[in-house]
Amino acid sequence: DIQMTQSPSSLSASVGDRVTITCRASQSISTYLNWYQQKPGKAPKVLIYAASSLQSGVPSRFSGSGSGTDFTLTISSVQPEDFATYYCEQSYSTPPITFGQGTRVEIK
Amino acid sequence: EVQLVESGGGLVQPGGSLRLSCAASGFTFSSYAMTWVRQAPGKGLEWVSAISGSGDSTYYADSVKGRFTISRDNSKNTLYLQMNSLRAEDTAVYYCAKSNLYIVVVVAAYKWFDPWGQGTLVTVSS
Repeated sequence: DIQMTQSPSSLSASVGDRVTITCRASQSISTYLNWYQQKPGKAPKVLIYAASSLQSGVPSRFSGSGSGTDFTLTISSVQPEDFATYYCEQSYSTPPITFGQGTRVEIK
Repeated sequence: EVQLVESGGGLVQPGGSLRLSCAASGFTFSSYAMTWVRQAPGKGLEWVSAISGSGDSTYYADSVKGRFTISRDNSKNTLYLQMNSLRAEDTAVYYCAKSNLYIVVVVAAYKWFDPWGQGTLVTVSS
């Protein structure tokens, strides 16, 4: 199974900061990588698919990059509504579908 | 509007059974694979099971294989998860989610889950 490792596990940021979250796969997954956002008490929502494609309706301050084993989710200027937990998910070799452990973005 | 609504969660004793349902609307249900993902309290996301659009192909995480059964009734636009021999470690919020594809296992095709239902809580405790 492909293991996904995110870093950091949590971070604190101020409104307007640039935030970067990293996801590493245990083997190459090309660009078969998705990013989800989950707010407390809510279901996850897809932000980015295929490593860098923005899902319809997602603000352009979110962007994704990477290929192979290393990927990044960037929020160019974090807004109050962006404070949430973010998960990466590999879709290269499934099943099993595997997620990273999550990165919690908190207000500083 | 595409919508998924889970139901059937609750408190069950260890060794007991429960059947979850996920009612779908706003899209051609039979054209898409579906999946169940769970989240234990304060923990991350764990994939549980997936099923193709026709229902002919099913897949399970090792942690639930032999105990859980995924199925769908395309005439009722409903996805199910039959959970037997429940354990304390099965305690979680269970989400259903829609794939962007008809099949689960596919080579060289991007796949993701959108949308997800609101989740239903399953608590396994005596």
